[in-house]
Amino acid sequence: EVQLVESGGGLIQPGGSLRLSCAASGFTVSSNYMSWVRQAPGKGLEWVSVIYSGGSTYYADSVKGRFTISRDNSKNTLYLQMNSLRAEDTAVYYCARVLYSGSRACDYWGQGTLVTVSS
Amino acid sequence: QSALTQPASVSGSPGQSITISCTGTSSDVGGYNYVSWYQQHPGKAPKLMIYDVSNRPSGVSNRFSGSKSGNTASLTISGLQAEDEADYYCSSYTSSSTFWVFGGGTKLTVL
Repeated sequence: EVQLVESGGGLIQPGGSLRLSCAASGFTVSSNYMSWVRQAPGKGLEWVSVIYSGGSTYYADSVKGRFTISRDNSKNTLYLQMNSLRAEDTAVYYCARVLYSGSRACDYWGQGTLVTVSS
Repeated sequence: QSALTQPASVSGSPGQSITISCTGTSSDVGGYNYVSWYQQHPGKAPKLMIYDVSNRPSGVSNRFSGSKSGNTASLTISGLQAEDEADYYCSSYTSSSTFWVFGGGTKLTVL
């Protein structure tokens, strides 16, 4: 059974850093495209980042230069390193598996982890 | 402001059909067949309902269907049921630097 479990969220001050983890089971992270999508409280979905099976990475303009997506193949885990956090980064962060290489659809999602950026 | 435009809300009675639109440009919805739709209940993760404009993942009811005309994609739900009440989001590939775009979401109310 495919499962994605995020962790690492919490309350952080503006300018701080946080690393989110997404532990996968039932499939191999490194063989799939994997994405992070966030949702601010009461707002819609916003794509954040994707990592291809080959290792290429892409970011939304709103997080480019501040966030880094990566994976640990030995742990079958996806990460999102978030630096220089701002109030507008407050959101539930979901990791998701991309349906197939090149797709813009995600077939499996984690339960989400809440990041709150506030002083 | 979201890259793709959806109506804020739609409603329908049980048994009826409703359609949710998703309007983009030739750089996203109109130019590629990579439109997907998600259902999200309060406090839950999104669920993929339609991918590549009109394909249903295994396990999704055939009451859900997708289509596209020009720069506008549509999600149709037939035989509305109470459990269909949720937020619905469209998403698309984009050739712009934005890379991947979502609509602002539509709240479906089953009367």
